[in-house]
Amino acid sequence: QSALTQPASVSGSPGQSITISCTGSSNDVGGYGLVSWYQQHPGQAPKLMIFEVVKRPSGVSNRFSGSKSGNTASLTISGLQTEDEADYYCCAYAGSTTLFGGGTKLTVL
Amino acid sequence: QVQLQESGPGLVKPSETLSLTCTVSGGSIFPYYWSWIRQTPGKGLEWIGYIYYSGTTRYNPSLKSRVTMFVDTSKNQFSLEVTSVTAADTAVYYCAKGDWVPESWGQGTLVTVSS
Repeated sequence: QSALTQPASVSGSPGQSITISCTGSSNDVGGYGLVSWYQQHPGQAPKLMIFEVVKRPSGVSNRFSGSKSGNTASLTISGLQTEDEADYYCCAYAGSTTLFGGGTKLTVL
Repeated sequence: QVQLQESGPGLVKPSETLSLTCTVSGGSIFPYYWSWIRQTPGKGLEWIGYIYYSGTTRYNPSLKSRVTMFVDTSKNQFSLEVTSVTAADTAVYYCAKGDWVPESWGQGTLVTVSS
């Protein structure tokens, strides 16, 4: 199974909103409700930001939101802050394994 | 909030077995799922598999022939073994709470495969 497809980079200014896409197939993103998103700062472990497509773990800002349409999932960050600058990875259950996206580097200009 | 810490050799020779242990603190291994994930610059994040506190396992089909996971509830630890390693197994290895969706992650440990 191939990794999920994400844009290599996105950028935005403080206060703006950005959206990161994650494209898979009917065998993973489109087939199940188990899409999650992780934030990773340099030298740190990934942190779960969204699970089951739209749910936020306790303590995660409501500026982060998730959605899904067909085989594409999306992460939206509103009111961009400088501390949001990081790598973001999508993740999806694929029936017998879990797949990750290649990662998207978010730059806050 | 549970905390996880990986431990094990940072250098493994080609064809040998990579062995790592994850110690869980601030909570019990029972009755949860625990997983291993690795990260390389080239392939990104790769889910290796999970183990339930009872010992039930599920592995990534691409690694299944070389991977084994164990759990030791008395020590609040779980472990990973990868046999017949090559340079392609060089990665930062993370342990995490959760099955198909890793939740809380350890800080990670770099394992280099080299002679």
